[in-house]
Amino acid sequence: EAGVAQSPRYKIIEKRQSVAFWCNPISGHATLYWYQQILGQGPKLLIQFQNNGVVDDSQLPKDRFSAERLKGVDSTLKIQPAKLEDSAVYLCASSLSQGNNEQFFGPGTRLTVL
Amino acid sequence: GQQLNQSPQSMFIQEGEDVSMNCTSSSIFNTWLWYKQDPGEGPVLLIALYKAGELTSNGRLTAQFGITRKDSFLNISASIPSDVGIYFCAGQRSGGSNYKLTFGKGTLLTVNP
Repeated sequence: EAGVAQSPRYKIIEKRQSVAFWCNPISGHATLYWYQQILGQGPKLLIQFQNNGVVDDSQLPKDRFSAERLKGVDSTLKIQPAKLEDSAVYLCASSLSQGNNEQFFGPGTRLTVL
Repeated sequence: GQQLNQSPQSMFIQEGEDVSMNCTSSSIFNTWLWYKQDPGEGPVLLIALYKAGELTSNGRLTAQFGITRKDSFLNISASIPSDVGIYFCAGQRSGGSNYKLTFGKGTLLTVNP
């Protein structure tokens, strides 16, 4: 079974630029999560989708971050404009359903904002 | 937001030694989870705990869900070099439409061969 795919693996941008990350969850997984992991910290949930609907985006900085999962499968997370403090690993995870505790994580995208 | 206090922050041990790490919270969780993260990879689920007092093993790993529902610990017996990595606890409160995980800051484990 293929795992959660993410691209790119690494991205370096200058502050005020825009960036987008892509995630393809495990086939058949209805729930998709985006996490931000700052160096030395645990992952922090940014947004959770159930199919193509948003379940929780309470910790998403909506002035600069946006995410979509239009067809209920793959998802993109965008930052516009980026700030220095956005430097982190962005992890995508998926689970069969929102009540299923086993979240499978992708390898992440490491973002460096200069 | 909710805080999970995970300790120790890091451990440096000899191969063959046993390891113990724990997580405490100021509030109750319905589920406790333990993950391991290798460099450049996403976290991988090791053990899930669903009932207060539950003790669950996965090979050399044993984890317990505290009676108060506010804490959990993970033990690794007879450590080996491939145990190296960052271990995270995560708590989940069920209910409504939100099953959000709250993660601790992690315990960095180094095993000296």
